[in-house]
Amino acid sequence: EDQVTQSPEALRLQEGESSSLNCSYTVSGLRGLFWYRQDPGKGPEFLFTLYSAGEEKEKERLKATLTKKESFLHITAPKPEDSATYLCAVERSGSARQLTFGSGTQLTVLP
Amino acid sequence: GAGVSQSPSNKVTEKGKDVELRCDPISGHTALYWYRQSLGQGLEFLIYFQGNSAPDKSGLPSDRFSAERTGGSVSTLTIQRTQQEDSAVYLCASSHDRVSEAFFGQGTRLTVV
Repeated sequence: EDQVTQSPEALRLQEGESSSLNCSYTVSGLRGLFWYRQDPGKGPEFLFTLYSAGEEKEKERLKATLTKKESFLHITAPKPEDSATYLCAVERSGSARQLTFGSGTQLTVLP
Repeated sequence: GAGVSQSPSNKVTEKGKDVELRCDPISGHTALYWYRQSLGQGLEFLIYFQGNSAPDKSGLPSDRFSAERTGGSVSTLTIQRTQQEDSAVYLCASSHDRVSEAFFGQGTRLTVV
């Protein structure tokens, strides 16, 4: 059974204080690992897809990296508008596009 | 449309009633998914439609849940004889094809009282 564990559950940062969110996964044949951002009362917003170990992707203050067992979402010099819940999900090769999601990390960036 | 549209945004229903939730995917997207998000839990896969293929219903929690997709576009998720444990946010997503990222709607918050 595919499993995704995100840590920490919640993280409070001061504006400008860089940090990383962790996503550990167990999947029988990874097709892709996805990061989403979710604001309160809204659906998840797509951020990144990573396909193979060693791959990195960046978008503004966010950088996602992938190893064979985990992914990190690095946040550099965060701003209050980066506050949200960040979700990680995996898709198994050969599956019918089912994503297995973690419970998310709730990030709060204080001004 | 510009994004995935879901209706209603909120639904309060009495236990035992049937409810229908609607999803309008992004125009041209052939894949459509339904997920459920319960308080404090991760998103749970329910069902997946791809083009004209038979849907993958492996995530539906009971036979009270069903979904259809008409004309390869709009989808309706139906929950019969609702129970309190059905209370959750039901999210719909669509993607261009089997390999593209999924874009989510804002969800329908279902409350069963």
